[in-house]
Amino acid sequence: TQLLEQSPQFLSIQEGENLTVYCNSSSVFSSLQWYRQEPGEGPVLLVTVVTGGEVKKLKRLTFQFGDARKDSSLHITAAQPGDTGLYLCAGASSGSEKLVFGKGTKLTVNP
Amino acid sequence: GAGVSQSPSNKVTEKGKDVELRCDPISGHTALYWYRQSLGQGLEFLIYFQGNSAPDKSGLPSDRFSAERTGGSVSTLTIQRTQQEDSAVYLCASSLWGKGASQPQHFGDGTRLSIL
Repeated sequence: TQLLEQSPQFLSIQEGENLTVYCNSSSVFSSLQWYRQEPGEGPVLLVTVVTGGEVKKLKRLTFQFGDARKDSSLHITAAQPGDTGLYLCAGASSGSEKLVFGKGTKLTVNP
Repeated sequence: GAGVSQSPSNKVTEKGKDVELRCDPISGHTALYWYRQSLGQGLEFLIYFQGNSAPDKSGLPSDRFSAERTGGSVSTLTIQRTQQEDSAVYLCASSLWGKGASQPQHFGDGTRLSIL
């Protein structure tokens, strides 16, 4: 069974701080997606990374896919209260139609 | 509508009752997924539909759970003889293709199910 471990599970920081969220597995994934979910809503896709070592930037968010395609990280620079939410990573395996989701990192950014 | 629509948004029912949850995917999306999310947790895969192919039911937790998709569009998830542990948010997602899960999934806002 493929598993994705996310850390930390909870993170509470002050506005302006930087943070990194990790998503790790012993399995290789063909691609990895990051979603953000706000209370009462469904997850919304932020980015998909497909190539080992790939780095993608989305404004203050930087996503990296590990060289071996087993892990990924999300770095947020100068966090803002609007970044508050549950961040989920999800891995796709070649030939599988299903995504494997991590349990998420609940981020709270205090003003 | 433009997005995935789920109904009802909230459902409270007594233990032992049956419930039906509905998902209306984005028009033209051939793949449809159901997930279950317990409080503050990640998503647990339940079932996957792709076009006219047989659904992948490998995530259904028990035979009390079933789902169907009529006409390749609307899907209904049915839970029979509900138990308290069935309380969760049930999320539906659709994607343009089912060829590989790397396609972005578009989620509805979920049905929050509470079993008393």
